[in-house]
Amino acid sequence: DIQMTQSPSSLSASVGDRVTITCRASQSISNYLNWYQQKPGKGPKLLISAASSLQSGVPSRFSGSGSGTDFTLTISSLQPEDFATYYCQQSYTSLTFGGGTKVEIK
Amino acid sequence: QVQLQESGPGLVKPSGTLSLTCAVSGGSISSFNWWSWVRQPPGKGLEWIGEIFYTGSTNYNPSLKSRVTISVDKSKNQFSLKLSSVTAADTALYYCASKHTSGWYSWFDPWGQGTLVTVSS
Repeated sequence: DIQMTQSPSSLSASVGDRVTITCRASQSISNYLNWYQQKPGKGPKLLISAASSLQSGVPSRFSGSGSGTDFTLTISSLQPEDFATYYCQQSYTSLTFGGGTKVEIK
Repeated sequence: QVQLQESGPGLVKPSGTLSLTCAVSGGSISSFNWWSWVRQPPGKGLEWIGEIFYTGSTNYNPSLKSRVTISVDKSKNQFSLKLSSVTAADTALYYCASKHTSGWYSWFDPWGQGTLVTVSS
């Protein structure tokens, strides 16, 4: 199984901050990597597919990058509605998720 | 716009069988998507359980394969999950989701709201 490791597991940030979340795969997964946002009481929402392809309707302050084993989700200017938990997910072999990164208000 | 809604008992006894249904609205279950189940134990991350195509083809997580059955009911536009021999470790929020594929790329969108299943006597 491909293991996905996210860091940090949680972070505190202020509105307007630039936030970076990292996802590392246990082996190369090319760019078969997606990012999701999950808010309390709701199912995850797809933000980015294929490592860097922003989904329709997702604000441009979200961006994704990376290939191989190391990937990054960046929020360029954190907004109040962005406080949530973020997950990465690989589809190179089977389907596995990272452990999540909770973004909290500082 | 496709919407998904999970339903089923919120409490299952140990050694029993967990049964959930996901109703698909706003679209046909016979579209070219894989219909999936994902779970999230309290305070933990997400685990893919398995998936079904409208033709009945299935794929399961190897770690759960011996206990999982996913089926589809095209007449009701819904699909279902059965997980047998449950233990407390199966207590989780269970989500259904639509999985899209493009070549080797695949992603889940949308997801249901999730339903909590507790395994307890």
